[in-house]
Amino acid sequence: DIQMTQSPSSLSASVGDRVTITCRASQGITNYLAWFQQKPGRAPKSLIYLASRLQSGVPSKFSGSRSGTDFTLTITSLQPEDFATYYCQQYKTYPLTFGGGTKVEIK
Amino acid sequence: EVQLVESGGGLVQPGGSLRLSCAASGFTFSTYAMNWVRQAPGKGLEWVSSISGSGDTTYSADSVKGRFTISRDNSKNTLYLQMSSLRAEDTALYYCAKDSGSYWGEIDYWGQGALVTVSS
Repeated sequence: DIQMTQSPSSLSASVGDRVTITCRASQGITNYLAWFQQKPGRAPKSLIYLASRLQSGVPSKFSGSRSGTDFTLTITSLQPEDFATYYCQQYKTYPLTFGGGTKVEIK
Repeated sequence: EVQLVESGGGLVQPGGSLRLSCAASGFTFSTYAMNWVRQAPGKGLEWVSSISGSGDTTYSADSVKGRFTISRDNSKNTLYLQMSSLRAEDTALYYCAKDSGSYWGEIDYWGQGALVTVSS
């Protein structure tokens, strides 16, 4: 199975900050990587697919990138509505696997 | 507008069975693979099972293989998860999730979830 290691598990940031979340795959997954946002008590929401492509309606403050087996989600100009938990997921092969999540909290 | 509405959750005793349903609308259901993903209380996301648009190909996590069965009825635009031999560790919110249609496992929409509690 492909393991997805996400870091950090939590971070504190202020409104207006730029934050970066990393996800490392245990083996090559090319660009088959998605990012999701989940707010408390809500279903996950799809943000990014194929490592860097924004889902329809997702603001450009969210961006994704890849370097080998390392993937990054960057959020610029953090706003109150961005405080949530973020998950990565690989879909190169089954079983589909998720990272452990990164909780972005208000400093 | 894509809508996925799960139902069928509830409290069940260990060793019991339950069937979840996911009613889909807003897209051509039979064209898209579908998934079940669960989330134990306070924990992260865990993939459970996937099924092709036609229903002839399925995948399941080892943790549920032999106990859970994914299926679909394209005439009713409904996805199912038949769960048997339930264990305490199956307690979770179960989400129905739609594939994008571009790549297997590329999820673009999620339902609101159905809560399954396994307890005596």
